[in-house]
Amino acid sequence: QVHLQQSGPGLVKPSETLSLTCTVSGDSVSDYYWTWIRQPPGKGLEWIGNIYNNGNTKYNPSLKSRVTIEVDMSENQFSLKLTSVTPADTAVYFCAKDFGGWTMIRGVMTPYDYFDPWGPGARVTVSS
Amino acid sequence: QSVLTQPPSVSGAPGQRVTISCTGSSSNIGAGFDVHWYQQVPGTVPKLLMYANNNRPSGVPDRFSGSKSGTSASLAISGLQAEDEADYYCQSYDSSLGGFVVFGGGTKLTVL
Repeated sequence: QVHLQQSGPGLVKPSETLSLTCTVSGDSVSDYYWTWIRQPPGKGLEWIGNIYNNGNTKYNPSLKSRVTIEVDMSENQFSLKLTSVTPADTAVYFCAKDFGGWTMIRGVMTPYDYFDPWGPGARVTVSS
Repeated sequence: QSVLTQPPSVSGAPGQRVTISCTGSSSNIGAGFDVHWYQQVPGTVPKLLMYANNNRPSGVPDRFSGSKSGTSASLAISGLQAEDEADYYCQSYDSSLGGFVVFGGGTKLTVL
């Protein structure tokens, strides 16, 4: 059974870089896709980006210029870095296992992603 | 504004059936991308409820069912129970801007 444990600072100053780590147990990070999702206080879910088992990444276009997701196979963990943060980046950040892949729809190979399980969430506040 | 549109709230009495809609467009649900659903009890972590439109993960009661047609999808919950009170989110994929994962804005289900 896969288990995700998150770590990282709960308070980040404006203009600085938010860094979070998700440590995986029960699966190898090299065998699956992994994703980051956030939820601002009282609001809905926003997908941040994911990393494939070949190291390729895909990011939310609204965050792409500020986001980096990487995998550390030696530690069996993956990480999120979000640069130049503002108070609007205050949220609970979740890591999750990404059941991503490809399926044939109307004769075209089409990507899909869904997420299970999710990490416990890390509350990050951006404030000076 | 979320790419996928859900009603902010729905409600029903115990035992009743409710449905939650998720409306997209030709670049996401209408393009054939699968729809997935999550349940989030307040203060807890979202949990996968339905994947690939109408597939229930192990442990999810068969009171929950999903469907998809055209540019919309729906989650139906029959035999409502108090424990079903939660926020529900749909999720799919959008082919615009190089392709990315999209969520609905969420629907708060209240069991009366």
